[in-house]
Amino acid sequence: GAVVSQHPSWVICKSGTSVKIECRSLDFQATTMFWYRQFPKQSLMLMATSNEGSKATYEQGVEKDKFLINHASLTLSTLTVTSAHPEDSSFYICSAATGTGGFRTNEKLFFGSGTQLSVL
Amino acid sequence: AQKITQTQPGMFVQEKEAVTLDCTYDTSDQSYGLFWYKQPSSGEMIFLIYQGSYDEQNATEGRYSLNFQKARKSANLVISASQLGDSAMYFCAMRSISSGTYKYIFGTGTRLKVLA
Repeated sequence: GAVVSQHPSWVICKSGTSVKIECRSLDFQATTMFWYRQFPKQSLMLMATSNEGSKATYEQGVEKDKFLINHASLTLSTLTVTSAHPEDSSFYICSAATGTGGFRTNEKLFFGSGTQLSVL
Repeated sequence: AQKITQTQPGMFVQEKEAVTLDCTYDTSDQSYGLFWYKQPSSGEMIFLIYQGSYDEQNATEGRYSLNFQKARKSANLVISASQLGDSAMYFCAMRSISSGTYKYIFGTGTRLKVLA
């Protein structure tokens, strides 16, 4: 399958600082990337859909000024948690879609390895 | 509304036996895709199998097969010859379109434990 690289794998930061998480598709171009948040023993919650060259589309309840997403190229999307607070501590995982998502597509979704964020 | 339902929070299976993980979905889309992912304790999400809504045959990938029943809106995952390494969380997911944007939504997951 396609390879998606995400780093860092884990980060510990002080409250009030900003943290950047990178997501790269290594062997394919990803027009669309998705950012998810996962709480312990729960499912993945979609935060935003990131399209190359345009503004991200955020899900209801997700603060776009808090979670800045940049999709500068077809292989890189970044999530920046600004002024992080303890309640932002979570597992963040990115994914990249192969294909274009068109009618009868065989587009598949591949995930990075996730980032465990702990805000002290 | 688009929805994925996994009704089994946890499942046990004996090593070398087959196990079925249930998944039902709800969508008004004509074209959609169904996926299964495995999440071991390390946290990574591993793609297992994909079924397109127009695919007439059930998808198979090695020991994984997807029992797709379109009329019943179910997409159950069958794992044959279970191995200890299959112990993990399993998520069913659906690709659907909403407001012109493709999204992938996930079920709540089923934790599978393979017993030696």
